[in-house]
Amino acid sequence: DAGVIQSPRHEVTEMGQEVTLRCKPISGHDYLFWYRQTMMRGLELLIYFNNNVPIDDSGMPEDRFSAKMPNASFSTLKIQPSEPRDSAVYFCASSPGRWGYTFGSGTRLTVV
Amino acid sequence: GENVEQHPSTLSVQEGDSAVIKCTYSDSASNYFPWYKQELGKRPQLIIDIRSNVGEKKDQRIAVTLNKTAKHFSLHITETQPEDSAVYFCAASRSSSNTGKLIFGQGTTLQVKP
Repeated sequence: DAGVIQSPRHEVTEMGQEVTLRCKPISGHDYLFWYRQTMMRGLELLIYFNNNVPIDDSGMPEDRFSAKMPNASFSTLKIQPSEPRDSAVYFCASSPGRWGYTFGSGTRLTVV
Repeated sequence: GENVEQHPSTLSVQEGDSAVIKCTYSDSASNYFPWYKQELGKRPQLIIDIRSNVGEKKDQRIAVTLNKTAKHFSLHITETQPEDSAVYFCAASRSSSNTGKLIFGQGTTLQVKP
């Protein structure tokens, strides 16, 4: 298995632009998580899905952020419009159940 | 709400010494406690985990201890090596329900000096 695959690895965009981050979880994993990592706030859980259904989105910072999981093998995290304070590394992780997270390589987002 | 506190934020040891990182959690229903290692520019990777039905677990040079009464758990690394230098994160989750979400500590930057 190739593990959790995220794209792009790096994204530089201008303030106000729409940004879409993508994630392919490990096949057979029922849980998918989106985390944001910054020096100031560490690893923050944004949202997670179970069997493609969003379970807890209480960590999503504001309405500019949205996430979807149209099927078991694909999820997106969208920021529209983007702001400089959104600059961070965004990690996707998947899990077969209640434990055993595997993280993707992350997307480093820079908003200028 | 759920919270995990991790200490220290930075730790510097000489090669061969031991390193200990401590975490406390607020949710008494938490029963799964993994530790992740993150090297610079890379993804967090699971190195060891413990569930609340055991008090200690060991894997070669690393061990984790859990005190449910006090709501704290610790990572112990013995005979540290330069390649142990990384950021270490503790986490906790309540896996007795459908939720499997992990709440992470703030991380500890471990530096092992050769």
